[in-house]
Amino acid sequence: EADIYQTPRYLVIGTGKKITLECSQTMGHDKMYWYQQDPGMELHLIHYSYGVNSTEKGDLSSESTVSRIRTEHFPLTLESARPSHTSQYLCASSRPGQGAYEQYFGPGTRLTVT
Amino acid sequence: AQRVTQPEKLLSVFKGAPVELKCNYSYSGSPELFWYVQYSRQRLQLLLRHISRESIKGFTADLNKGETSFHLKKPFAQEEDSAMYYCALKGSSNTGKLIFGQGTTLQVKP
Repeated sequence: EADIYQTPRYLVIGTGKKITLECSQTMGHDKMYWYQQDPGMELHLIHYSYGVNSTEKGDLSSESTVSRIRTEHFPLTLESARPSHTSQYLCASSRPGQGAYEQYFGPGTRLTVT
Repeated sequence: AQRVTQPEKLLSVFKGAPVELKCNYSYSGSPELFWYVQYSRQRLQLLLRHISRESIKGFTADLNKGETSFHLKKPFAQEEDSAMYYCALKGSSNTGKLIFGQGTTLQVKP
């Protein structure tokens, strides 16, 4: 079934650790996005990708990095986690053209850095 | 600057009452706006977009350029409408980027 997956769903990790949040989609979408969302707050775009080998930083500055080596895979990496990185991270994807504004969201990863 | 404002964090109504979730935007140009919804324990998903002029689950939203608003309305709220609602604005470049508001939690009481 076509879907967008995120793993892990929950992660509690100590300060200084390197982490990778996984996002994969089987919908054949070319555009993919990472949002950061604190509880009860708006979603902030931190990274997006138009396609393979194309990544851009979003509107909210983030210490995380992303890669897009395969169309279906868009992982987010934090080299050294800090408590300020504690948040929910949502991955989304969309079709090309005007369909790009209908974004399909994954279930999210709730990250806690202690 | 492009911005979306949802002034109410929480809107609580009784079942059967009318609902209006407010959304105001700031955008220089011709805006395209959307409402996204997140039900409890479900993913964020598109509810409706203004260019479609559609009614989804009884909800409608009209773009008012004079008041720079895109309020979401439903004449008779149902308990299953309880959810978090986000208004979103298409970014200025044709990239698929959306600018989200802060969200409003709608609570429909029995």
